[in-house]
Amino acid sequence: QKEVEQNSGPLSVPEGAIASLNCTYSDRVSQSFFWYRQYSGKSPELIMSIYSNGDKEDGRFTAQLNKASQYVSLLIRDSQPSDSATYLCAVNIINTGGFKTIFGAGTRLFVKA
Amino acid sequence: GAGVSQSPSNKVTEKGKDVELRCDPISGHTALYWYRQSLGQGLEFLIYFQGNSAPDKSGLPSDRFSAERTGGSVSTLTIQRTQQEDSAVYLCASSPRTFPSSGANVLTFGAGSRLTVL
Repeated sequence: QKEVEQNSGPLSVPEGAIASLNCTYSDRVSQSFFWYRQYSGKSPELIMSIYSNGDKEDGRFTAQLNKASQYVSLLIRDSQPSDSATYLCAVNIINTGGFKTIFGAGTRLFVKA
Repeated sequence: GAGVSQSPSNKVTEKGKDVELRCDPISGHTALYWYRQSLGQGLEFLIYFQGNSAPDKSGLPSDRFSAERTGGSVSTLTIQRTQQEDSAVYLCASSPRTFPSSGANVLTFGAGSRLTVL
């Protein structure tokens, strides 16, 4: 089992719809979870971070964390064509030296105008 | 500097040659990561440096890959005897803290070094 798993997509939604992106992780003791956005040919940039169970909202973005189910998701409301990108889930995996940040394979999102 | 700086931005080399990729992290950031991203793929963890601790090299794909970080700042990733499968974008990222639950664990990425092995 991979440490961080995402559906590679592509996920296609019409403009104005809600896009739902999902991620599962294998390390039960992980405490920090992140969503990064990567436009084609560019480097990843942080969208959201979440550390506690429940929802965290920032503008049109909502991150949801369920540690019992080892599941984290990202909702994008009122999706815009400019949201078309690859969304990377990242998890801090605990190891003997401390921890390290591991990424999922990413989900490609297309928002159709 | 203001951001993470990587060089070269593009490198074309012949199979069998050695290459060095450089990363200059944000000043004061103690954590430095190297990732590899092949076309259309996710970020593959390679190596992680944290302060003066021994680096986590668990992601290096073979002994042809090595990295060092001098003075807790600049890092160099070296690939010896390059192969065509080494072609990818090599991304460096840094962050200011080490605590697992710290809000400061956010990674800032450089623009990447695109390596093409002919």
